[in-house]
Amino acid sequence: EVHLVESGGGLVQPGGSLRLSCAASGFSFSIYAMSWVRQAPGKGLEWVSAISDSGDKTYYADSVVKGRFTISRDNSKSTVYLQLNSLRAEDTAVYYCTKEWYPELDVWGKGTTVTVSS
Amino acid sequence: DIVMTQTPLSSPVTLGQPAAISCRSSQSLVHSDGNTYLSWLQQRPGQPPRLLIYKTSKRFSGVPDRFTGSGAGTDFTLKISRVEAEDVGVYSCMQATQFPRTFGQGTKVEIK
Repeated sequence: EVHLVESGGGLVQPGGSLRLSCAASGFSFSIYAMSWVRQAPGKGLEWVSAISDSGDKTYYADSVVKGRFTISRDNSKSTVYLQLNSLRAEDTAVYYCTKEWYPELDVWGKGTTVTVSS
Repeated sequence: DIVMTQTPLSSPVTLGQPAAISCRSSQSLVHSDGNTYLSWLQQRPGQPPRLLIYKTSKRFSGVPDRFTGSGAGTDFTLKISRVEAEDVGVYSCMQATQFPRTFGQGTKVEIK
């Protein structure tokens, strides 16, 4: 069965950093692009970033990220990462890891919660 | 960026009755490969989103046939033929034709 399990969320002060991880299982991880989508409390879904299957191409929602986030992957560990720097209160959200399926988002993890507060 | 606009934002429906949600994009979603990458996702309360419809009208694995997607270009619709209690939740359209991917605001479907 296909699974995506996110981890790494937590409470962080404004200006702080976090590294989110997403461990994949049940499919050939290295042949699929992966994305991160977030959802602020009571709000809609917001796409954040994507990375190609080999990791050589990355994409960001510039209006959201503004150079603060970095996506990466380790195909040997079937894991995708999202490094979050210079965090702000408006980055508070559940961060979902998703699998891209040519190119729709067909598998979603349960999410990891990031809270930015002093 | 492509802006996705959904209407209505809230849809109270009687059990067994149909429901329809509209999604409009600010520019055509036809990809250079000829496909239109418009999908619909369902998010039940307390759960992550789930893919229902992809490429405008294709039902994803395990999705009941009471869900139907249609449309072309910039105008798309999700229809539920007969709403069941398990359909309560928020429905969002998403375009994957170009980066950045963008979502509609979400439509809350609830039972009257």
